[in-house]
Amino acid sequence: TQLLEQSPQFLSIQEGENLTVYCNSSSVFSSLQWYRQEPGEGPVLLVTVVTGGEVKKLKRLTFQFGDARKDSSLHITAAQPGDTGLYLCAGEGTYKYIFGTGTRLKVLA
Amino acid sequence: DTEVTQTPKHLVMGMTNKKSLKCEQHMGHRAMYWYKQKAKKPPELMFVYSYEKLSINESVPSRFSPECPNSSLLNLHLHALQPEDSALYLCASSQGGRGFYGYTFGSGTRLTVV
Repeated sequence: TQLLEQSPQFLSIQEGENLTVYCNSSSVFSSLQWYRQEPGEGPVLLVTVVTGGEVKKLKRLTFQFGDARKDSSLHITAAQPGDTGLYLCAGEGTYKYIFGTGTRLKVLA
Repeated sequence: DTEVTQTPKHLVMGMTNKKSLKCEQHMGHRAMYWYKQKAKKPPELMFVYSYEKLSINESVPSRFSPECPNSSLLNLHLHALQPEDSALYLCASSQGGRGFYGYTFGSGTRLTVV
């Protein structure tokens, strides 16, 4: 069974702090996505990473795909309360699309 | 148009009711999906439609009945649900039948079964 394990599960930080969320698997993925989901809403696609070692930036968010394409990370610089939400990594597995276990981030003003 | 539109936003139904959830996309995506999401958990796949044909049913109880009238529309018919079916129901679409570029999700229907 292919799994995407995220860490940490929960994170509560003060505004202005930096943080990193990890997404790990023992399987190789052809691409990985990161989503952010706010309560009562659907996940919103933030980025797709495709090439091993790839780094993509989206304003204060930096996404990296591991060299072996088995893991990814999301780094947020100077977190803001608007960054609060559930962060999900996901990727196409052998039989179906797989979501990570999720990281719930709360940024306090 | 880069949206997936779901209606209604909220639904409360009794265990003997019949209701339907609707989903619409106009991005030309040929795969559409229904997901169920419980609080603080990742979405769980229910059904996949590829080119308007049901390609995956994740052993979903028959009280949930999907329908794809055309390439832009996806319905989920609900009948005789149980309180434990209360959840956020999400519709999504993707290019082709794989998630290489990710999915576009609707904002969901919050379903409460009483």
